[in-house]
Amino acid sequence: AQKITQTQPGMFVQEKEAVTLDCTYDTSDPSYGLFWYKQPSSGEMIFLIYQGSYDQQNATEGRYSLNFQKARKSANLVISASQLGDSAMYFCAMRENTGNQFYFGTGTSLTVIP
Amino acid sequence: DGGITQSPKYLFRKEGQNVTLSCEQNLNHDAMYWYRQDPGQGLRLIYYSQIVNDFQKGDIAEGYSVSREKKESFPLTVTSAQKNPTAFYLCASSISLAGAQETQYFGPGTRLLVL
Repeated sequence: AQKITQTQPGMFVQEKEAVTLDCTYDTSDPSYGLFWYKQPSSGEMIFLIYQGSYDQQNATEGRYSLNFQKARKSANLVISASQLGDSAMYFCAMRENTGNQFYFGTGTSLTVIP
Repeated sequence: DGGITQSPKYLFRKEGQNVTLSCEQNLNHDAMYWYRQDPGQGLRLIYYSQIVNDFQKGDIAEGYSVSREKKESFPLTVTSAQKNPTAFYLCASSISLAGAQETQYFGPGTRLLVL
């Protein structure tokens, strides 16, 4: 089974609007971390936000927030007030406490329209 | 500034040739990783290393080799045994290998093309 699933290959959003990128995960480890990365056309993977499985509150970093629904095993990324520079690929990832690997989803391509 | 550097940015390989991709970090991280990314795909783990002189195979290690002689450096060699090496290669590091909270930080990547 896929550890990380991103079902939206491509998304469009109007500039200054908010957008939600979906991510679901699969693990039996009670302790895990969830991560989102941004990959612009230059290729570098930029860390955006982290959520721990025991964190009581949703993580926020500036315009990025993570909508963590533990029972549904979802960790959606919300970008508020979209900017043209937000156009990029976005990857959801998970790390289990018992393992050594990061698991990445297949990514969502976000295009911000002026 | 602390970070991860990869060189070269672009690399061309001839048939039957081994090539080495450089990865250096000055973050004082113990763990380092190599990933391969094909167009429109996610990342696949090639090798990872927890400490100096120790490394483990990832999901797609065949045709690749690594070394970890220094904490700061984790070079990847793409050997002639790798029949389809054209891809984007990303190096990453984290403070340690274990722990759900350990964030991986990435270098800018190397794009490998076969002539």
